[in-house]
Amino acid sequence: GAGVSQSPSNKVTEKGKDVELRCDPISGHTALYWYRQSLGQGLEFLIYFQGNSAPDKSGLPSDRFSAERTGGSVSTLTIQRTQQEDSAVYLCASSLGLAFGEQFFGPGTRLTVL
Amino acid sequence: KNEVEQSPQNLTAQEGEFITINCSYSVGISALHWLQQHPGGGIVSLFMLSSGKKKHGRLIATINIQEKHSSLHITASHPRDSAVYICAVISQGGSEKLVFGKGTKLTVNP
Repeated sequence: GAGVSQSPSNKVTEKGKDVELRCDPISGHTALYWYRQSLGQGLEFLIYFQGNSAPDKSGLPSDRFSAERTGGSVSTLTIQRTQQEDSAVYLCASSLGLAFGEQFFGPGTRLTVL
Repeated sequence: KNEVEQSPQNLTAQEGEFITINCSYSVGISALHWLQQHPGGGIVSLFMLSSGKKKHGRLIATINIQEKHSSLHITASHPRDSAVYICAVISQGGSEKLVFGKGTKLTVNP
């Protein structure tokens, strides 16, 4: 079956522009996660959804970041007024049922802010 | 000090060698993950464990909750095992979140 998909795979934008990143989880997976990996850095947890709800948004780096999930499926991560320090690979993962259970990762979106 | 520490940071081995990667954490956890990130960037979940030991093929993961320590072992290592291995803990206290180690870069030479 299909795995987790993310779009776009690459995004180059200018500083100050808004970007929207999309994640399609594995069908039936109720939990969805967003992570960020900056160049040469480790993974950073951003937010997770159980169904359409995000129990804790404190992992989002700033109020320029927001995420939503509709219909218990697709999720979008929006970054407003992008800054150069937002450049990173944004990874999405999903898991079946249990929060933070075995996760299946998407290929990531590489965001470059010029 | 990071909540999750991995050692070594880099590891080079010859094909066939037994590999051990260590992970220590300082927070209360409900479980721990071991992940593998391939050179191309793709991430695969290897293990999720909350006690004892798990084995899958040539990979073995152990965890000691009292000592707040986990190890990932690779037996009969192969060049295709070359990757970054990442330890991540599901931290408790307030809301749950996943806290990552910085990873161990493993290179297995033929």
